Amino acid sequence: DSGVTQTPKHLITATGQRVTLRCSPRSGDLSVYWYQQSLDQGLQFLIQYYNGEERAKGNILERFSAQQFPDLHSELNLSSLELGDSALYFCASSPRGRALMSHEQYFGPGTRLTVT
Amino acid sequence: GESVGLHLPTLSVQEGDNSIINCAYSNSASDYFIWYKQESGKGPQFIIDIRSNMDKRQGQRVTVLLNKTVKHLSLQIAATQPGDSAVYFCAETDSGGGADGLTFGKGTHLIIQP
Repeated sequence: DSGVTQTPKHLITATGQRVTLRCSPRSGDLSVYWYQQSLDQGLQFLIQYYNGEERAKGNILERFSAQQFPDLHSELNLSSLELGDSALYFCASSPRGRALMSHEQYFGPGTRLTVT
Repeated sequence: GESVGLHLPTLSVQEGDNSIINCAYSNSASDYFIWYKQESGKGPQFIIDIRSNMDKRQGQRVTVLLNKTVKHLSLQIAATQPGDSAVYFCAETDSGGGADGLTFGKGTHLIIQP
């Protein structure tokens, strides 16, 4: 158990809909990252937050957005869903911030999104 | 682990043998590298990391080697056990500036034969 929690575990929704995925980082970790894992694209970095502020963007679509709240939990919002958005979505957290030279990221169990 | 890509490289080894999983990275600016293990239905699990100022780092039964000249990373697993069966990913990042989202390789499926 990495200490990172994600809800829900599974999500089935229809095209055009909007969903919110939730992540709670490990206690004390200030950085949160979101990744997408699909069969054709592999594991891809979407976005990073550090202590409530966006720090970096990866291959995140404009239809997707995220935020990190004062209690450090994060939400990933996916809108106007398409069939191709079906994937596993992982959240990771890092002790970066508590120990500036630490970059290791610990992953949650993921949310499996199925768009029908 | 979760199947990543249609043509995931596979490495099959006998239980008790040593395994070597290789990874080529592309970004010369990457200065931090991690190996992850992903079992079926689970998230990637941190195994070991290495910074670019090192060329070797050892953990429990695992060793990571880094060759910056040819941009190559390897993970050695000693005395492979059935529980080592999983998909293994290398990941890299340029950690400068505090933005350190990881770039992952395609993964290697390690199969342990009895």
